[in-house]
Amino acid sequence: DTAVSQTPKYLVTQMGNDKSIKCEQNLGHDTMYWYKQDSKKFLKIMFSYNNKELIINETVPNRFSPKSPDKAHLNLHINSLELGDSAVYFCASGLSGGTGELFFGEGSRLTVL
Amino acid sequence: GQQLNQSPQSMFIQEGEDVSMNCTSSSIFNTWLWYKQDPGEGPVLLIALYKAGELTSNGRLTAQFGITRKDSFLNISASIPSDVGIYFCAGQVTGNTGKLIFGQGTTLQVKP
Repeated sequence: DTAVSQTPKYLVTQMGNDKSIKCEQNLGHDTMYWYKQDSKKFLKIMFSYNNKELIINETVPNRFSPKSPDKAHLNLHINSLELGDSAVYFCASGLSGGTGELFFGEGSRLTVL
Repeated sequence: GQQLNQSPQSMFIQEGEDVSMNCTSSSIFNTWLWYKQDPGEGPVLLIALYKAGELTSNGRLTAQFGITRKDSFLNISASIPSDVGIYFCAGQVTGNTGKLIFGQGTTLQVKP
């Protein structure tokens, strides 16, 4: 059983398109995150949701819109894709109260042409 | 913003050797964590440290939370080929939001 699963694993698209990445966790965690890993492997937090409520929004362009229909799901929608959006996007989950102990998905590699 | 300086950036060692990597920050963190990322996978938690001065082991791995709360190190003893990967330190920002600041990563290669 995959604890944190995200789809698709690979996404290749043209500039200007809109795309979504879905994430689901079956660990019963209250908090979910989106992290972005750039070509230099640097990991940076984008968003955090706790029980469907937005907790962290790290100055991400508003072309990025997370949506959490319930505490087990956190999706990421990206409008008007740009070349600089190419990266690996990781979904993660953890317990509320912030232990820092996160469980990451396998990542979704987005390539914008 | 808060930043973590992780070193070395990369290491190429012989199987059986011990490895040490560290992370420093100009800011205080209330939690330090070490993650490992294998190619094509997400980071996986290795060790979490919650108290200044804490020394914790997980098999061949040992990590310490610096007494100033601004640094941490990770040691791997008797390295094996499956230790290959990228090791990240992470500090948790105070406020218990779960927000982590990651270091730049240390890429470890092990020669059999």
